[in-house]
Amino acid sequence: DQQVKQNSPSLSVQEGRISILNCDYTNSMFDYFLWYKKYPAEGPTFLISISSIKDKNEDGRFTVFLNKSAKHLSLHIVPSQPGDSAVYFCAARGRAGNMLTFGGGTRLMVKP
Amino acid sequence: GAVVSQHPSRVICKSGTSVKIECRSLDFQATTMFWYRQFPKQSLMLMATSNEGSKATYEQGVEKDKFLINHASLTLSTLTVTSAHPEDSSFYICSADSRQSWGYTFGSGTRLTVV
Repeated sequence: DQQVKQNSPSLSVQEGRISILNCDYTNSMFDYFLWYKKYPAEGPTFLISISSIKDKNEDGRFTVFLNKSAKHLSLHIVPSQPGDSAVYFCAARGRAGNMLTFGGGTRLMVKP
Repeated sequence: GAVVSQHPSRVICKSGTSVKIECRSLDFQATTMFWYRQFPKQSLMLMATSNEGSKATYEQGVEKDKFLINHASLTLSTLTVTSAHPEDSSFYICSADSRQSWGYTFGSGTRLTVV
């Protein structure tokens, strides 16, 4: 049972345009959500997070939106840059513990 | 910022041997560390939660006798893959909760190849 899903395995965007990466979850006990960026053969690096009490968090070119009723979150990157090309994972944490549950990842390719 | 060092980054071993992977928190103390495994083009799968001074908690389906975890200090957790088989070949990543607002810090990962 996959509790965190990223239904798009890949996304291709032109440089300068907006990239929108989506993530759905099923567990209503998740209270904190994170986005990570990962390059091949490297560990994930933290990008941005959002608490379940908020619906939006912005940090520079990155904005995360949370729709609790739909159990959906999205990461917006604008403007997209070629250096943003990587695999993006969303992750969720439950109130009971501190472990993360990851989505399957979306490979973003930003074309110059 | 919080840094987690993972070593080695790449290792090749023969079937039947054991391999130890180290995960160190360099500038903070981590009472809890996590070990993940990633198969090609797949997500990060949590293998176990490593608790300093106590036994690790393994996820369902992960053999605790095969993947030995030791968290002897607040800055070091080790994962030992015992009697390695080719199917153990994978990318292993550790992470630690640095208790900073920006979430968990990950090591750079270890590519294990068992031949």
